[in-house]
Amino acid sequence: NAGVTQTPKFQVLKTGQSMTLQCAQDMNHNSMYWYRQDPGMGLRLIYYSASEGTTDKGEVPNGYNVSRLNKREFSLRLESAAPSQTSVYFCASSEGGARGETQYFGPGTRLLVL
Amino acid sequence: AQRVTQPEKLLSVFKGAPVELKCNYSYSGSPELFWYVQYSRQRLQLLLRHISRESIKGFTADLNKGETSFHLKKPFAQEEDSAMYYCALNYGGATNKLIFGTGTLLAVQP
Repeated sequence: NAGVTQTPKFQVLKTGQSMTLQCAQDMNHNSMYWYRQDPGMGLRLIYYSASEGTTDKGEVPNGYNVSRLNKREFSLRLESAAPSQTSVYFCASSEGGARGETQYFGPGTRLLVL
Repeated sequence: AQRVTQPEKLLSVFKGAPVELKCNYSYSGSPELFWYVQYSRQRLQLLLRHISRESIKGFTADLNKGETSFHLKKPFAQEEDSAMYYCALNYGGATNKLIFGTGTLLAVQP
């Protein structure tokens, strides 16, 4: 099992460009998450999805959209990238529905917005 | 608002010395806390959670509601414990939405 996979690993964008970060999990998990990590800060939740077709905002959702088209995949879209969105983005998944579940993380995507 | 504070960016100890990584939280509800760890060139992974009251790799953490703390401890540090440690708080109940601290880099010197 690959666990949680993310593509791309690294991306450079110009201000105003758009892109989609892809995340997939092969653990049959219901819940999926997108976080961003900035230097000197902890991971911050951008969006959460409890199941296919449902999404919910986290701490820092502004400037992002997400799609949960099926159980495996949860994508994060930047419609018009800004330098403030330069960060490392992590996707995670968990079984879903119970408190205290382990979240399994992907390797991260490094995004640089010029 | 909920918050997780890890006051130390870096903790450097010698092999065999005791380790304590500090974590304090602010949360109005019943807290649920975790320690996640990231070893060099590996993914972030769960180390332990307070609800399990378990010891993983010799690490323990006790939730102290009076002091709003969840410090991570190990009596004798090993070089392989060197990693980035993050304390996290579940503020979303069954959704398991987490808020993370800024992390502490533990460096165990030989």
